Amino acid sequence: QKEVEQDPGPLSVPEGAIVSLNCTYSNSAFQYFMWYRQYSRKGPELLMYTYSSGNKEDGRFTAQVDKSSKYISLFIRDSQPSDSATYLCAMSGARWQGAQKLVFGQGTRLTINP
Amino acid sequence: EPEVTQTPSHQVTQMGQEVILRCVPISNHLYFYWYRQILGQKVEFLVSFYNNEISEKSEIFDDQFSVERPDGSNFTLKIRSTKLEDSAMYFCASSLGQNNSPLHFGNGTRLTVT
Repeated sequence: QKEVEQDPGPLSVPEGAIVSLNCTYSNSAFQYFMWYRQYSRKGPELLMYTYSSGNKEDGRFTAQVDKSSKYISLFIRDSQPSDSATYLCAMSGARWQGAQKLVFGQGTRLTINP
Repeated sequence: EPEVTQTPSHQVTQMGQEVILRCVPISNHLYFYWYRQILGQKVEFLVSFYNNEISEKSEIFDDQFSVERPDGSNFTLKIRSTKLEDSAMYFCASSLGQNNSPLHFGNGTRLTVT
């Protein structure tokens, strides 16, 4: 079983739709969960950062973590064409001397159609 | 907003040659990282660096790779004798290293080994 699994898509939705992206993982030691957005030829840009289980909301974005199911989600409300990008989930376990070794999902390519 | 900068954006080299990829992390960050992404594959951890020494490295980071912080601002990745399979996007990242301090990535250097 892969450590982090993410459906690569592609996922195409109309503008204004609610988008749901998710990842599953197998390593119960993961405690920190992130979503990054990556535009073509750019580096990963941090969107959401959560610790342990629960929800976190930031504008149109909501991140959910369910550690009991080893499942994380990112919801995008009122999706815009500018949200078209590849979305990467990433996670890490307890820090050692403060450093974080992130394990990434494959990334889901999302297109929002005007 | 402060950002991680990487140079060059694209590096072409011949097999067996040495390359140095350069990064300027965010100025008050204490932890520095290199990740890579082979075309079509996941972003993978290479190495983390703190207090002028490697804190963790992956199996990929063999004797052909080295990292250095030659001065107070730059962070470099050297590949001594490049192989075709080293062709990838190389991302530098940095973090504060405190609780709730995620990684911030640069836009990457595309390395092409011919």
